[in-house]
Amino acid sequence: TQLLEQSPQFLSIQEGENLTVYCNSSSVFSSLQWYRQEPGEGPVLLVTVVTGGEVKKLKRLTFQFGDARKDSSLHITAAQTGDTGLYLCAGGPSGTYKYIFGTGTRLKVLA
Amino acid sequence: GAGVSQSPRYKVAKRGQDVALRCDPISGHVSLFWYQQALGQGPEFLTYFQNEAQLDKSGLPSDRFFAERPEGSVSTLKIQRTQQEDSAVYLCASSLVVAGGPYQETQYFGPGTRLLVL
Repeated sequence: TQLLEQSPQFLSIQEGENLTVYCNSSSVFSSLQWYRQEPGEGPVLLVTVVTGGEVKKLKRLTFQFGDARKDSSLHITAAQTGDTGLYLCAGGPSGTYKYIFGTGTRLKVLA
Repeated sequence: GAGVSQSPRYKVAKRGQDVALRCDPISGHVSLFWYQQALGQGPEFLTYFQNEAQLDKSGLPSDRFFAERPEGSVSTLKIQRTQQEDSAVYLCASSLVVAGGPYQETQYFGPGTRLLVL
């Protein structure tokens, strides 16, 4: 069974601080995605990483896919209160329809 | 344009009741997924439809759970004889292309139905 473990589970920081969220698996994924979910809403896709070692930037967010395609990280620079939410990594084993979400990291950015 | 909609947004059921949750995907989307999300956790896969065909139902927790998408658009998730452990948010997502390929397609999620079984 492929699992995606995220750390930390909870994170509370001051506005302006930097943070990194990790997504780890013992299995290889052909691609991984990062979503953000706000209360009462469904997850919204932030990025898809496909190639091992790939780095993608989305404004203050930097996403990296591990060389072995077993892990990924999300780094937020100068966090803002609007970054508050549940961050989820997700992936689908190639050749199957089942889509696996990580355990989630709940981020709270304080003003 | 309209996104994925789900109804009802909230549902309170007495233990043993049957419930039906509706999902209206984005028009023209081939793929439709159902997920169950417990409080504070990531969504867990329940089932996948490609048009009207249910190609994967491996995540359905028991035979009390049943999903259908008879015309390849609207989908309904039915839970029979609800139990307290069924309390969760049920999310529906749709995607333009078929799933299962090497490159993960973008899934568009609805707001979910929050089910509380008393």
